[in-house]
Amino acid sequence: NAGVTQTPKFQVLKTGQSMTLQCAQDMNHNSMYWYRQDPGMGLRLIYYSASEGTTDKGEVPNGYNVSRLNKREFSLRLESAAPSQTSVYFCASSDGQGTQETQYFGPGTRLLVL
Amino acid sequence: KQEVTQIPAALSVPEGENLVLNCSFTDSAIYNLQWFRQDPGKGLTSLLLIQSSQREQTSGRLNASLDKSSGRSTLYIAASQPGDSATYLCAVRPGFNKFYFGSGTKLNVKP
Repeated sequence: NAGVTQTPKFQVLKTGQSMTLQCAQDMNHNSMYWYRQDPGMGLRLIYYSASEGTTDKGEVPNGYNVSRLNKREFSLRLESAAPSQTSVYFCASSDGQGTQETQYFGPGTRLLVL
Repeated sequence: KQEVTQIPAALSVPEGENLVLNCSFTDSAIYNLQWFRQDPGKGLTSLLLIQSSQREQTSGRLNASLDKSSGRSTLYIAASQPGDSATYLCAVRPGFNKFYFGSGTKLNVKP
């Protein structure tokens, strides 16, 4: 069972370049999330999608866009990368049901913006 | 805004020791609290989830407690092993599709 997969695993960008981080889950979950993790800080929510066709901003959405392509896939796009976006990006999914909701995480994408 | 704090940031113990990791949060209005484990270079793995109506949850050598009124949770690890070495994060869920994470406690269990 693959769970949550992310591509690429590592990427180096120059300031101003664009890229899309891909995420897919095979657990038939309704909700999907994008987080960033910076040293000494907890994970911060960038965007989430409660169901196919819907997306909403999280805590730190500036500089990012997302697309919920279908139930399985949720992509994160950086239109013009900045050094402040150097981070580790995690995708997660959950069934979004009730107080027992738990999240399942992908392995992460390490992004370095020069 | 919910603030989640984990102290200490790092902890080193000898193998076999029992230990407690702490998590505190500022707003007691939560649906649940979850403990995760993160290995270097990997994603997060859920360990225990405590619903707001519960006081504790147990899984093997792990026991997590929740005191909503004081805004605290603890993760108790019994008879620690080198394989327990990892970063442990807690996360609170104050609402639908909202999760706030602590910065984690990095645990090193020495053989």
